[in-house]
Parts: sequence; structure tokens; C-alpha cells
Amino acid sequence: ETGVTQSPTHLIKTRGQQVTLRCSSQSGHNTVSWYQQALGQGPQFIFQYYREEENGRGNFPPRFSGLQFPNYSSELNVNALELDDSALYLCASRTAGARDEQYFGPGTRLTVT
Amino acid sequence: AQKVTQAQTEISVVEKEDVTLDCVYETRDTTYYLFWYKQPPSGELVFLIRRNSFDEQNEISGRYSWNFQKSTSSFNFTITASQVVDSAVYFCALSHLSSGYALNFGKGTSLLVTP
Repeated sequence: ETGVTQSPTHLIKTRGQQVTLRCSSQSGHNTVSWYQQALGQGPQFIFQYYREEENGRGNFPPRFSGLQFPNYSSELNVNALELDDSALYLCASRTAGARDEQYFGPGTRLTVT
Repeated sequence: AQKVTQAQTEISVVEKEDVTLDCVYETRDTTYYLFWYKQPPSGELVFLIRRNSFDEQNEISGRYSWNFQKSTSSFNFTITASQVVDSAVYFCALSHLSSGYALNFGKGTSLLVTP
């Protein structure tokens, strides 16, 4: 186990709704990244937070937003859900200096109907 | 541009066979990191190995071995004497400073090992 937890495990939402996914980082990790993995694809980088500020973003629209809290837990928020948002959402945490060691959580499976 | 290509979509082998998973990458950075992850049906990504661009030494860990060749921009992964438990999707990934060390994944290779 990596010490990274995510909730909920599964979620079903309707198109147009909003969703919040949560991630609890491994103790001492101040950097968290979120990835979207569509079925049959590799994970795609959404964004990264370091010390509560976004410091990197992939090719995702602004309706994908996030927060990182002082205890380094984080949230991924998606507004105006679309069918294509159905995917496995993974978070990964690391210390800022350990650029080569990212620890992934088990993921949240989001289904948009 | 960064890009990771895993040309093999699916591979099926019989237990005890050796299998090599290919990974080819593109980057303009001179300092970068390469990774392999395993994703079993449960979905969690399991870290297998990372290599930095200055370390071309091949590595062996039990039945797993990795061949990093900068000349061909390849980072291939070999499983010797495959086992049923090796069945999973395997991802190669690339990261570097200019992307904040975000991981750029290939599309993955699905490996099925049958008894």
C-alpha cells in the first residue's frame, strides 16, 4: 500500500451535475497530482498542486479545478459533467524534492450518465 | 514535444515464456525520468522502476529487467519466466522539469499470461 487514499471508490452522476473527488496524501508529501484515465487509455495529467497552489496543468478545461489543504489532502472538482468525463481518476502524491517517486491512490471510478 | 509510444496494445503468452514490452519516448530535454508502472485489474498503479536520463545502466530485479538505450530512445521491459500473476496493463511514462515532473504516460500494453 502507498498510504494514499481516495474517496469515494465509485460514483455515478448525471450529465450537467458537479462532482468532488477527494485524496488524502501520504504523510509528509506536499505535492499532489491528479490524473484522468479513460477506459483503455493511459492516465492523462490534469493538474498538480504544491503548498496549496496549482503549479502545473495539463490539457483540461477550467471546469476541472482543484484544492489542496494545509494538511496536504486535496480535492478535484468537475463542473458541468459530460459523458466523456467518465473515467478512473487517480491522485498521486510526493515530496517536492522527490521528483521521481510518485505514490498513487486506488482511484475513483466516475460514471456520467 | 514529449511523447511515449507503446506500440504493443496486447500481448498474450503462456506461463514461463519470456516477454518484452516495448517503450519508445520523445523529448527535447536532456534531463528526464523514465518509469514503468503495473496496473492490475484492481486499478491501482504500482511503481516498478524509474531511470534518470544520465543512468543508462540496465537493471534486473528478480524476473524483471529493463533495457534503457538513449541512442534509440527506448526503455524496454522484460519479464523472464512469466507467471499468471504478471497479467496486468503495463505503462511506460516520462517526466521532466519543464512539465513540473508530471508523468506523461503511454497508452499501455495489456499482458495476459495463461497457464
